[in-house]
Amino acid sequence: DAKTTQPPSMDCAEGRAANLPCNHSTISGNEYVYWYRQIHSQGPQYIIHGLKNNETNEMASLIITEDRKSSTLILPHATLRDTAVYYCIVRVYNTDKLIFGTGTRLQVFP
Amino acid sequence: DAGVIQSPRHEVTEMGQEVTLRCKPISGHDYLFWYRQTMMRGLELLIYFNNNVPIDDSGMPEDRFSAKMPNASFSTLKIQPSEPRDSAVYFCASSFRTGDNEQFFGPGTRLTVL
Repeated sequence: DAKTTQPPSMDCAEGRAANLPCNHSTISGNEYVYWYRQIHSQGPQYIIHGLKNNETNEMASLIITEDRKSSTLILPHATLRDTAVYYCIVRVYNTDKLIFGTGTRLQVFP
Repeated sequence: DAGVIQSPRHEVTEMGQEVTLRCKPISGHDYLFWYRQTMMRGLELLIYFNNNVPIDDSGMPEDRFSAKMPNASFSTLKIQPSEPRDSAVYFCASSFRTGDNEQFFGPGTRLTVL
């Protein structure tokens, strides 16, 4: 079973920041948080991952709370092409398994 | 690099027929994963390999499903006999080294079993 909880859908205006929340209250101390997205009919695409510290790359920023029970993915300037389903995943400790939940469907509108 | 390659992209078959899905991972990647996606169950991990050896097949639904990786550049997922409930999109993904690395997904094979 997925160890994360996400809102089923969100809207965001083009050009604005999209903040996607995720709860993972049962996460263990050595389990990573991953974010992937899936644009309609394509394979999932990796975005970012982190353990304890906040992370940033060319696509997004990942903010993990100090107690690690929740995180937020931030797309700083959303575009129409960011419309997708975003999955927050906790990688099962000591394995290479990613258990996908139901994700958040982000709709970016003009 | 061409990315993960899957074939066929679409497959329509009749119940009871054998179906073989194929995957070519990214060159140099040590891990290969097979996933299935349906509206009802979402994206499920079926099996994954490390250096051509199956590591975890706990997600394989039943004995009708089998997966092989005869070499580092090729894997198959076979369903025999196929059933309508096997209709789904099947994704293959690969990654370099162990799990701290991203998985790269292929475009998927859309399987329809009539």
